[in-house]
Amino acid sequence: GAVVSQHPSRVICKSGTSVKIECRSLDFQATTMFWYRQFPKQSLMLMATSNEGSKATYEQGVEKDKFLINHASLTLSTLTVTSAHPEDSSFYICSAIHPRHDEAFFGQGTRLTVV
Amino acid sequence: GNSVTQMEGPVTLSEEAFLTINCTYTATGYPSLFWYVQYPGEGLQLLLKATKADDKGSNKGFEATYRKETTSFHLEKGSVQVSDSAVYFCALRRGYGQNFVFGPGTRLSVLP
Repeated sequence: GAVVSQHPSRVICKSGTSVKIECRSLDFQATTMFWYRQFPKQSLMLMATSNEGSKATYEQGVEKDKFLINHASLTLSTLTVTSAHPEDSSFYICSAIHPRHDEAFFGQGTRLTVV
Repeated sequence: GNSVTQMEGPVTLSEEAFLTINCTYTATGYPSLFWYVQYPGEGLQLLLKATKADDKGSNKGFEATYRKETTSFHLEKGSVQVSDSAVYFCALRRGYGQNFVFGPGTRLSVLP
């Protein structure tokens, strides 16, 4: 089946630094990818919609200057958490829509810990 | 707006017990409905889906029927196993290429 790979699976960084998370669709091209954030024991909250070749669409309340999204190719979207703070610690998950199956496939998630 | 409500749990069952996790939704139009499962430390995996009213999705012994009249998509399994322990998310999607709206998730623990 279609695979979406997310990297890294875990990252620990210091406050004030930036962290980049990659989301790749391995065997299909995705014009649209989604980035979600999941707090402990809570559901997934959509952060932004990443569109290949254009600017991402951010959900209300999500700081676009803090969570930079780049969808430079049909198989790669990146989320960069800039000037990370401990409150940014969370589980981040991406998903990509398979154009033929019209089905979303999810990455394995990235657990970010800011110390 | 679009929303999904599901029983929050946690749900604790003994092996071979019957499982029901309720899910109801609010949406404009005719959304597609999904159940996703998340095992500890992992991302989400599609469990089953239904794209129109009265459709029944099924997989790995789980099933759910799209009930338009009650706006529900309850997940059921006749006999759960320890390996079914996970968090289950009900979700809807309004249309092609649209994002998902997830319910809060229900944590299921199955005891041997």
